[in-house]
Amino acid sequence: KQEVTQIPAALSVPEGENLVLNCSFTDSAIYNLQWFRQDPGKGLTSLLLIQSSQREQTSGRLNASLDKSSGRSTLYIAASQPGDSATYLCAEATSGSRLTFGEGTQLTVNP
Amino acid sequence: NAGVTQTPKFQVLKTGQSMTLQCAQDMNHEYMSWYRQDPGMGLRLIHYSVGAGITDQGEVPNGYNVSRSTTEDFPLRLLSAAPSQTSVYFCASSYTGKDEQFFGPGTRLTVL
Repeated sequence: KQEVTQIPAALSVPEGENLVLNCSFTDSAIYNLQWFRQDPGKGLTSLLLIQSSQREQTSGRLNASLDKSSGRSTLYIAASQPGDSATYLCAEATSGSRLTFGEGTQLTVNP
Repeated sequence: NAGVTQTPKFQVLKTGQSMTLQCAQDMNHEYMSWYRQDPGMGLRLIHYSVGAGITDQGEVPNGYNVSRSTTEDFPLRLLSAAPSQTSVYFCASSYTGKDEQFFGPGTRLTVL
């Protein structure tokens, strides 16, 4: 069974700090890996998508990497801001085009 | 584009009642899916569709039915609601299922 694990489950940092969120997956037959943001009581907002043939993707202050051989992805957030506070979810797309989600990292950025 | 829309936003049912959660997208996406989100369990796939007329089961399909008569709509039916179906339900869509997936705002369902 595919499993996706996110570490840490919760993270609290001061404003301005650079931080890394980790995601590990067990299925090497990955199509892509997608990072999402979820605010309390809201839906999921897509942040970055990395195809299996890619090593990383960047959008503004966000950079996501993918290492298929080790089954790991990281989301790097530069110069964190209070508005970055949310739960970050990673999801692996494999056979059948189905997403398997991690349980998320709850990020709090303190002013 | 409205993106992915879901109705209703909130719903309270009694055990044994039936209802349909609506999902629609206006992006001409072929692939649509339903997930439920529960504390400690994350998001789990219920059913998905790779195009009109084609549906398949996900990880937790029991108690739910789907159909896909048009590209735009993918309703989820609860046949006889149970308290275990209390959850937040999300609909998602993408062009092929192998690219970026877009999620709706969710339906928060409580079954008493």
